[in-house]
Amino acid sequence: ETGVTQSPTHLIKTRGQQVTLRCSSQSGHNTVSWYQQALGQGPQFIFQYYREEENGRGNFPPRFSGLQFPNYSSELNVNALELDDSALYLCASSLGDPAGAYNEQFFGPGTRLTVL
Amino acid sequence: SQQGEEDPQALSIQEGENATMNCSYKTSINNLQWYRQNSGRGLVHLILIRSNEREKHSGRLRVTLDTSKKSSSLLITASRAADTASYFCATVDLIIQGAQKLVFGQGTRLTINP
Repeated sequence: ETGVTQSPTHLIKTRGQQVTLRCSSQSGHNTVSWYQQALGQGPQFIFQYYREEENGRGNFPPRFSGLQFPNYSSELNVNALELDDSALYLCASSLGDPAGAYNEQFFGPGTRLTVL
Repeated sequence: SQQGEEDPQALSIQEGENATMNCSYKTSINNLQWYRQNSGRGLVHLILIRSNEREKHSGRLRVTLDTSKKSSSLLITASRAADTASYFCATVDLIIQGAQKLVFGQGTRLTINP
């Protein structure tokens, strides 16, 4: 069974640029969630994708957007980067249940984004 | 916004001692989970305790849950240097039917001194 992978590991960008982060979900999982973790803080929910559709969003501006592909891998795109976007970005995959039962989310190792 | 708070924010103990971390949360829950994070890397799931459970064990880990006080504690017994990490509690928040998000506290930074 392959775990959750993320790329790249580290990334340095400048203000105003755009960035794309990638996540491959664990085999058999159809749901991907993205979290932002600022230094010294707990992760904050950005949004979730279930079967290629956005399925919930946290308190992040529209310049944070995402995609989920037919193989359930996912991308997080951030436009017009700001200094405060510097953080560890984590994705987590799970097996979504429309009936609402909670299924464990498995986290990837994260992408460290630095905005200069 | 964070669901709750962890206490203490940082804890430093000697190897072999026990470490206790506390977590408080704000809303009613179905379950509460604890995660470990090493050096700003990905989160590792440690244990899940359901709202109808009061205590749960996994190896050297013991988790308690008091829903009347909206609080949980994580006890690590006989600590080892490898336990040095940040520990987070998380609750599950329903977004819409079938969509759930994890809401994390700010974490406790645990350092085990040899």
